[in-house]
Amino acid sequence: DVKVTQSSRYLVKRTGEKVFLECVQDMDHENMFWYRQDPGLGLRLIYFSYDVKMKEKGDIPEGYSVSREKKERFSLILESASTNQTSMYLCASTLGVQPTGELFFGEGSRLTVL
Amino acid sequence: RKEVEQDPGPFNVPEGATVAFNCTYSNSASQSFFWYRQDCRKEPKLLMSVYSSGNEDGRFTAQLNRASQYISLLIRDSKLSDSATYLCVVSTWEYGNKLVFGAGTILRVKS
Repeated sequence: DVKVTQSSRYLVKRTGEKVFLECVQDMDHENMFWYRQDPGLGLRLIYFSYDVKMKEKGDIPEGYSVSREKKERFSLILESASTNQTSMYLCASTLGVQPTGELFFGEGSRLTVL
Repeated sequence: RKEVEQDPGPFNVPEGATVAFNCTYSNSASQSFFWYRQDCRKEPKLLMSVYSSGNEDGRFTAQLNRASQYISLLIRDSKLSDSATYLCVVSTWEYGNKLVFGAGTILRVKS
């Protein structure tokens, strides 16, 4: 069974703290994605990666960075957390670069920044 | 204008009812279309792809209208377990696999 695992389900951080969100997939997928999901706005793409050490900005990359040192792991970093980054963060992966539509998501990390 | 728009609902329907959701998209170059389902406090999961000729999977029917740039999802004989948020997803081929998600339509099926 396919598996995308996010390291933390719930986090509470203070403004200015550095935050790491980790995501691991066991399906040998090339593509990995970080989204945030907010009420009324849907899922918005922050960054994606189509290969190890490669990264591309999504629609809302400001305030975030990513790291992909190994194929199975894609990390999202908030260098200095702010209250407007309070959100649900979803990691996803998919095989290949064709738009098959089937993204496999992790369970999500709900981040609260105080 | 949002790239993908959905009526947020909620749609409150009794068990056994037929319910339909529409979703409009703005980019005429969009190539692939999907419906995802998201249960409360869970991750989204692919429900079905939407093909040009329309397609059916059990009680679920998806349709695409390229001329009017919308897709639809019809659910027949609604079950309590169909209660969820339904996300419309549109893919426009760019480098990588970029999918654009609608904000979702909430369905509540009541006994």
